[in-house]
Amino acid sequence: KNEVEQSPQNLTAQEGEFITINCSYSVGISALHWLQQHPGGGIVSLFMLSSGKKKHGRLIATINIQEKHSSLHITASHPRDSAVYICAVTTKKLVFGQGTRLTINP
Amino acid sequence: DVKVTQSSRYLVKRTGEKVFLECVQDMDHENMFWYRQDPGLGLRLIYFSYDVKMKEKGDIPEGYSVSREKKERFSLILESASTNQTSMYLCASSGTSPYNEQFFGPGTRLTVL
Repeated sequence: KNEVEQSPQNLTAQEGEFITINCSYSVGISALHWLQQHPGGGIVSLFMLSSGKKKHGRLIATINIQEKHSSLHITASHPRDSAVYICAVTTKKLVFGQGTRLTINP
Repeated sequence: DVKVTQSSRYLVKRTGEKVFLECVQDMDHENMFWYRQDPGLGLRLIYFSYDVKMKEKGDIPEGYSVSREKKERFSLILESASTNQTSMYLCASSGTSPYNEQFFGPGTRLTVL
């Protein structure tokens, strides 16, 4: 079993829909990261959080330390949100989930 | 803005060739990392370095070596490239705190024929 599990692996939605991507982890962590990777490879850090909730524009990330679970939400989704979203946790190093491929259709 | 650059976006090499992938960061970060990314497997750590001339093996170091002679530069070396090393290679850097985020380079897509 992977230390970091994401669901779903693939998600297709219509423009405007509310999107939720989930991440569960099984190890003790000091922080959790949400990353975004667009076609072409570059990875951008969206959030780093160790408790509670963070918001940036239409993106919201939450973490429940007791339940070892985090969610990434996208409100009013747009085709430009189409990307792979990766959850990663910091232990002694960064441990990555396998990613969620999100496609938003116009 | 932190910038992490990699020497090539695309690279095609032949089996048995020696391959150098270069990574440079401009934020004076102590930590630097090399990952490979394969479909269905996600990102896997090959090697990392927490200081000049220091290196530690990651999860999949076999077939790779690294060099960090200067703080800003971290090189990944494939001594004798093989077809199973065809992959996307990503470099990252960060500060020393576990709360520091990692900044990624654009990636190098390596094909070994």
